[in-house]
Amino acid sequence: RKEVEQDPGPFNVPEGATVAFNCTYSNSASQSFFWYRQDCRKEPKLLMSVYSSGNEDGRFTAQLNRASQYISLLIRDSKLSDSATYLCVVSGDSNYQLIWGAGTKLIIKP
Amino acid sequence: ETGVTQSPTHLIKTRGQQVTLRCSSQSGHNTVSWYQQALGQGPQFIFQYYREEENGRGNFPPRFSGLQFPNYSSELNVNALELDDSALYLCASSLQGIVGTEAFFGQGTRLTVV
Repeated sequence: RKEVEQDPGPFNVPEGATVAFNCTYSNSASQSFFWYRQDCRKEPKLLMSVYSSGNEDGRFTAQLNRASQYISLLIRDSKLSDSATYLCVVSGDSNYQLIWGAGTKLIIKP
Repeated sequence: ETGVTQSPTHLIKTRGQQVTLRCSSQSGHNTVSWYQQALGQGPQFIFQYYREEENGRGNFPPRFSGLQFPNYSSELNVNALELDDSALYLCASSLQGIVGTEAFFGQGTRLTVV
């Protein structure tokens, strides 16, 4: 079983729709959680950290469920510019290590 | 732009050769992490340097080595290149070697081994 698992997609979604991604992780000791966004042939960029109580940043909402060991990302009112690969990232056993999922590809259609 | 720069942006090497990739960290950041990203995969952690010392290492063989300089810039060296080393190599700059602080990535070096 992979340490961090994501549905690879692609998710084909019409503009304006709401889309949700889930990510499961295997290490119950993980303490830090992030969503990164990566455009085609570009570097990853931090979208948002994920906090225990859940957090929102504009159209983006992140949730953490420690009991079931998954995190989620909800995108409301999707825009064409949201098309990208979304990477789920969790901390490992050591405080320096980040473990990355393979990413979920999102395609927003006009 | 993040202020993290990597060079070169693209590189083609022959199997068995050696390569050095370079990364300049963002001003004020003292930690550099290196990742390997194969096509269609997430980044895989190679190692991290904090204040010129290796702070941790992922599951990569010893032919992957690195350095960090007093100005916190860093190098990744790969010896005896193999075809499977073909990937995007990313460096990430952060403040302190502590997970939870935001990491800023360079644009990456795309290495092709033929």
